[in-house]
Amino acid sequence: GENVEQHPSTLSVQEGDSAVIKCTYSDSASNYFPWYKQELGKRPQLIIDIRSNVGEKKDQRIAVTLNKTAKHFSLHITETQPEDSAVYFCAATTNQGGKLIFGQGTELSVKP
Amino acid sequence: DAGVTQSPTHLIKTRGQQVTLRCSPKSGHDTVSWYQQALGQGPQFIFQYYEEEERQRGNFPDRFSGHQFPNYSSELNVNALLLGDSALYLCASSFEPNTEAFFGQGTRLTVV
Repeated sequence: GENVEQHPSTLSVQEGDSAVIKCTYSDSASNYFPWYKQELGKRPQLIIDIRSNVGEKKDQRIAVTLNKTAKHFSLHITETQPEDSAVYFCAATTNQGGKLIFGQGTELSVKP
Repeated sequence: DAGVTQSPTHLIKTRGQQVTLRCSPKSGHDTVSWYQQALGQGPQFIFQYYEEEERQRGNFPDRFSGHQFPNYSSELNVNALLLGDSALYLCASSFEPNTEAFFGQGTRLTVV
């Protein structure tokens, strides 16, 4: 069935370092891949997304890459800051706004 | 402009009871999706409502049912509560089923 695997489950980096989170999806029909940041006790918030017709997208310190052949997509955060500490979720869907299949989440800790 | 609002924020119920959770979508949105997020896991899709009809459904038993009203607000009903139903229930809204989904703060349900 539909599945999204996310790694690592926890990630600890020093402030200023880069962080990379990787996801693999199973449904080859997936065409939209959002990333959400969820701080403790708060709602998931969309931080960046990518569609299947694009290989890479960047927004300031955040970038996402997509390899459709391998069914992999990754989140890259550069120059990490303590306020980047949160749980990050990747997701995949065959239609934006429809049923999202989420990964298990990555708890990112940025140490000052 | 109010975002997605959910009520109540917290709820404690006893096994076997029934519960109703409510969601008001973001202004201008007409599509509502419900997700269950167990502690330490990614959100799991329950179902989506559009034009007052259930449009998509995830792998949840019939104990989980919903409704969408003409003003686009929605309810999630869970019958015969089990301990395993304890989770954060998230509502997400979008403008039609093919646009970005915005999440509410969630309702924390505890079944004792």
